[in-house]
Amino acid sequence: SQQGEEDPQALSIQEGENATMNCSYKTSINNLQWYRQNSGRGLVHLILIRSNEREKHSGRLRVTLDTSKKSSSLLITASRAADTASYFCATDSGNTPLVFGKGTRLSVIA
Amino acid sequence: NAGVMQNPRHLVRRRGQEARLRCSPMKGHSHVYWYRQLPEEGLKFMVYLQKENIIDESGMPKERFSAEFPKEGPSILRIQQVVRGDSAAYFCASSLNTEAFFGQGTRLTVV
Repeated sequence: SQQGEEDPQALSIQEGENATMNCSYKTSINNLQWYRQNSGRGLVHLILIRSNEREKHSGRLRVTLDTSKKSSSLLITASRAADTASYFCATDSGNTPLVFGKGTRLSVIA
Repeated sequence: NAGVMQNPRHLVRRRGQEARLRCSPMKGHSHVYWYRQLPEEGLKFMVYLQKENIIDESGMPKERFSAEFPKEGPSILRIQQVVRGDSAAYFCASSLNTEAFFGQGTRLTVV
């Protein structure tokens, strides 16, 4: 069953703007991860946030996690054309496979 | 340390043929996962393997699909008697603990 659901499905912004994507999930998790996928390529791991963490930063990325609402957000600041890709959240609950959402397709227009 | 290697990158099969997809995990990784991705969709979990064991195959169709991860050699996802609906990108991932590393995928086209 699909665990993570990203919102919005598609997002189009101008270069330099911030992009915010959200992810909701249904069951308890140990970790939540965000991945990026360029068209026709494999997934690249961006950031992992543990269930006992609320916020994490990595470069221009900021991830928040609200376990009470079972939701996470990924913020990309000062977006660039190269950020154009699909972004997926994935959750795991201990020794279980990652469960992915359908992704948000981000288009950054130069 | 090479990443996760999948081959072939592209595979074309006629209906009824067999498709074999290979995945070599990152060095030292003993967990392998296979996912299927349809166009404009997310990744759907198929099977989770550790060396010589299938841990979770709840996402794998009961018929025609099988997977193995032998003691030596790559993990193999095998699809027998392929149908057009099997056309998709198949991704393999490996992990040591929590973070999963993905291969570039095999794009299967059934004609």
